[in-house]
Amino acid sequence: SQQGEEDPQALSIQEGENATMNCSYKTSINNLQWYRQNSGRGLVHLILIRSNEREKHSGRLRVTLDTSKKSSSLLITASRAADTASYFCATVAVRGSTLGRLYFGRGTQLTVWP
Amino acid sequence: IAGITQAPTSQILAAGRRMTLRCTQDMRHNAMYWYRQDLGLGLRLIHYSNTAGTTGKGEVPDGYSVSRANTDDFPLTLASAVPSQTSVYFCASSDDQGATYNEQFFGPGTRLTVL
Repeated sequence: SQQGEEDPQALSIQEGENATMNCSYKTSINNLQWYRQNSGRGLVHLILIRSNEREKHSGRLRVTLDTSKKSSSLLITASRAADTASYFCATVAVRGSTLGRLYFGRGTQLTVWP
Repeated sequence: IAGITQAPTSQILAAGRRMTLRCTQDMRHNAMYWYRQDLGLGLRLIHYSNTAGTTGKGEVPDGYSVSRANTDDFPLTLASAVPSQTSVYFCASSDDQGATYNEQFFGPGTRLTVL
């Protein structure tokens, strides 16, 4: 399988702390995306990083990509209780029958305590 | 309509019955997708469509069919539902241009229980 795998599976922190989630994948990618899902809701796109990029920022989010290690990390700075959600990485393949398809990992459940 | 809508929100279905999950988007996106989400397994792609009139199989297509008669609508049909199809189903769309694959926009989901 070429799906991304997030680590850790669950993360529990206090408000104000930083949260770091990691994602590893197996095959060459076109891009890697991070999504957020609140309980019982649909997924919301957070950030997309292309294979020729190494770092992107969006507000309190920072994403890095290391294609040599086939890994990515999502950093949420100064976390808030409202950041409590599941976070998924997803990869887009570059070749073969899976070209363009988005493959999701199993997610990291982040809990931020007030 | 704003974004993607799905219907119904939830459904309880007897095994063997036929069911169509509806999905409509108003963003004129060329690509649309159906995923199922099961606890501990993340999201898995069922079927996709790159443009109106074309469809393709994803990771777990067995027991499901789709059609894409126009840009906006992408219904998912379970011809004869089985309990293993109990899941939460998400429809998504994206504006993919050539080899540029962009973010996907998700609907709110349909929670399906097959008894």
